[in-house]
Order: sequence, then structure tokens, then C-alpha cells
Amino acid sequence: DTEVTQTPKHLVMGMTNKKSLKCEQHMGHRAMYWYKQKAKKPPELMFVYSYEKLSINESVPSRFSPECPNSSLLNLHLHALQPEDSALYLCASSQGGSGNTIYFGEGSWLTVV
Amino acid sequence: GQSLEQPSEVTAVEGAIVQINCTYQTSGFYGLSWYQQHDGGAPTFLSYNALDGLEETGRFSSFLSRSDSYGYLLLQELQMKDSASYFCAVTDYGQNFVFGPGTRLSVLP
Repeated sequence: DTEVTQTPKHLVMGMTNKKSLKCEQHMGHRAMYWYKQKAKKPPELMFVYSYEKLSINESVPSRFSPECPNSSLLNLHLHALQPEDSALYLCASSQGGSGNTIYFGEGSWLTVV
Repeated sequence: GQSLEQPSEVTAVEGAIVQINCTYQTSGFYGLSWYQQHDGGAPTFLSYNALDGLEETGRFSSFLSRSDSYGYLLLQELQMKDSASYFCAVTDYGQNFVFGPGTRLSVLP
């Protein structure tokens, strides 16, 4: 069983909607990540939070807005998305620092209509 | 920047051994990880190498040569359930995990 929990598992939203994806980890990890994955492609890094501070933003459009309320929680706020944003959104966590690996949640399947 | 290369597809039969290679070019390197992803699922962690040599975890082993910027994942006693995509990923200095393009493994009966 994964110790990174994501909700919802599936989300369908219109281009004018505002929605949020939520992620929680129970491993005491200090770094949390959002990845986007399209079919038959590798996960693509969007954001990294380290010790609750945004440390990496991979030039993601402002219609995606991350938030880290505390070291266990990570949100991704969605607004005015486009159909091409439909993808699997993966949350992950790691111990932080160097040389660690990351552990993924089960993902949120997003469809923008 | 970083770039990683993997074969796009590998096919093998049940009970066989298969090796999936990964070469990388990075501006900073801490380690190489391997992940398995079944269709419709999320990536799951398989193995991690920070130092040169072989790491063994059950039927899976992973190897790293830092001087050659090369690693591989070795899967033994293949089973049908091993059919999946396999990704190598590099950890760089900035806690950035960059994934390779993935190798689709098909295990035939």
C-alpha cells in the first residue's frame, strides 16, 4: 500500500472550473513533488517543495498553482485549464536532501472538457 | 540539463532474463533509480544505486557505473506480471528527479 495518498482519483472539469488535487504523505518526508504524465510518456516534473518552501517550478503555466500547507500536505489548484492539460497528475515525496529516491501516490486522472 | 536514454521496447519469454539499459548525461548526479509502471497505474520504486556496483532485490538487480554514466536493470525468472514500462531516473544536486523515456517490457508465455 502506498503511503502517499491522492484525491480525487478521477476528475472531470470544464475549462472555466476551479478545482484542486490533494496529496498527503505519512512517511515524515521533507520534500514533495507534482509530476504530470501523458500516455506512453515519462513523468514530467512540475513543482518541488522542500521543507514546505517551493524550490523548483519547471516553468509551469500559472493556471496550475501549488500549495504546501504543511510538511504532510500538498495541493495543486487548477483554474482555466485547457483540454491538453488532461493527464495523470502524480504526487510524490522523498526524504529530502541528496541521494534519495521518491515514492509516488496512485495519481489523479484529470480530464478537461 | 539532463538527458537519459533507454530502449523503447524489449520482449522476452516467461522464465527468461532481461536487461534494460540506461545511459545518462547530467549536470549533477547523486544516484540512479528504477521504477515500474503498469498500464493505468502509478510508478512504483524498484531499486536505487548511488555507488558503482550491483544492488540485488529479489528477482530484480540494478547496476551502476558512474564513470561510464551507465546503468541497467536486470530482471530474472520473468513472469507475465512483469509486463510493464520501466523508467530509469537520475537524482541531481537540486532534488530533481529526471526520468528516462521508458522501456516497455512485454513478457510472452
